[in-house]
Amino acid sequence: DAKTTQPPSMDCAEGRAANLPCNHSTISGNEYVYWYRQIHSQGPQYIIHGLKNNETNEMASLIITEDRKSSTLILPHATLRDTAVYYCIVRGLTGANSKLTFGKGITLSVRP
Amino acid sequence: SAVISQKPSRDICQRGTSLTIQCQVDSQVTMMFWYRQQPGQSLTLIATANQGSEATYESGFVIDKFPISRPNLTFSTLTVSNMSPEDSSIYLCSVGKGNYGYTFGSGTRLTVV
Repeated sequence: DAKTTQPPSMDCAEGRAANLPCNHSTISGNEYVYWYRQIHSQGPQYIIHGLKNNETNEMASLIITEDRKSSTLILPHATLRDTAVYYCIVRGLTGANSKLTFGKGITLSVRP
Repeated sequence: SAVISQKPSRDICQRGTSLTIQCQVDSQVTMMFWYRQQPGQSLTLIATANQGSEATYESGFVIDKFPISRPNLTFSTLTVSNMSPEDSSIYLCSVGKGNYGYTFGSGTRLTVV
């Protein structure tokens, strides 16, 4: 079972920041938060991951709360091509926890 | 990140037949996985393909239905056996290297008629 909870959907205007929330209240100390997205008819694409510090790359920023029970993926300037299903996943590095278990994700719709 | 070639990209098959899906990676990888995505659903892990040993299947998936081979560190196959319309799904190969994000193939869209 997925260890994360996400709203089913959200939308935002093109050019604005998209803030996608995720709850992972049962996360363990050695588990990371990963974000993937799946654009229609494609395989999932890795976006970013983090342990406890905030992370930023060319695609997005990941903000993890101090207690690590929730996080937010930020797409700073959403475009129409960012319309996709976004999956927040908790994953360890070894053993059974190293597998990626997908929940239902959140469908982001970017409107013109 | 690794580049994955998955074949075929799509197929339409008769019920009762079998289809073998291939996953080729451009570099050696430790971890290889097979997922299923049923229409309108999220991804479900079928099994971990282990090099040199039998695959490790998730609950609800069995070797007789989904035999997997992994002869080396760059290649794996998944066979969907004795197909029924309920097997119509997208099947995806995924590989991982270390701590970084797993890479997914573009998937095989299977329709069973």
